[in-house]
Amino acid sequence: EPEVTQTPSHQVTQMGQEVILRCVPISNHLYFYWYRQILGQKVEFLVSFYNNEISEKSEIFDDQFSVERPDGSNFTLKIRSTKLEDSAMYFCASSERVSGNTEAFFGQGTRLTVV
Amino acid sequence: AQSVSQHNHHVILSEAASLELGCNYSYGGTVNLFWYVQYPGQHLQLLLKYFSGDPLVKGIKGFEAEFIKSKFSFNLRKPSVQWSDTAEYFCAVKTLGRLYFGRGTQLTVWP
Repeated sequence: EPEVTQTPSHQVTQMGQEVILRCVPISNHLYFYWYRQILGQKVEFLVSFYNNEISEKSEIFDDQFSVERPDGSNFTLKIRSTKLEDSAMYFCASSERVSGNTEAFFGQGTRLTVV
Repeated sequence: AQSVSQHNHHVILSEAASLELGCNYSYGGTVNLFWYVQYPGQHLQLLLKYFSGDPLVKGIKGFEAEFIKSKFSFNLRKPSVQWSDTAEYFCAVKTLGRLYFGRGTQLTVWP
């Protein structure tokens, strides 16, 4: 069964450092998403991406964040200068399309710990 | 914006007990409804979904959910839980293309 894969599963970084979280969406999917979940809180939408550009982003997704699809398979989330409050589980997801009766498939997440 | 509420943060049951997890949402327009489950160390997996039609939806592993439009609810049920159902359960609502999640309910089932 096709699945979304994320690497690494756990990343520890020092405050102020840049991190790149990687995702390989399902191959025939066209829409990609990043969500995060701070410990004890809701899963929050960060950004959606289609046709090599951001479709929608939340208020959380400020200038410190960027996304990229550097090649035909990877979808990355970069945090330029990490803060303690960026510590969270980050989930990547993909779907065939954004509208209509379609579901998102999630990766297993990357736990980011900023120290 | 859509708001999704899961009222139970942690539910503890014995095996064979019945389960009902509540989920309510705020936006009254066209919605797609989902329950996802996350087993320890694993990714979010789709348990069941509602798009249209019969408001009683059956999912994997004996789970079902009922969409009650008038109550803006999509409660998850299982008549008899097993130890292997121990996981975190997330209700999600898709509105205008975006998925909104509830906070999640941690279910612990004692053997």
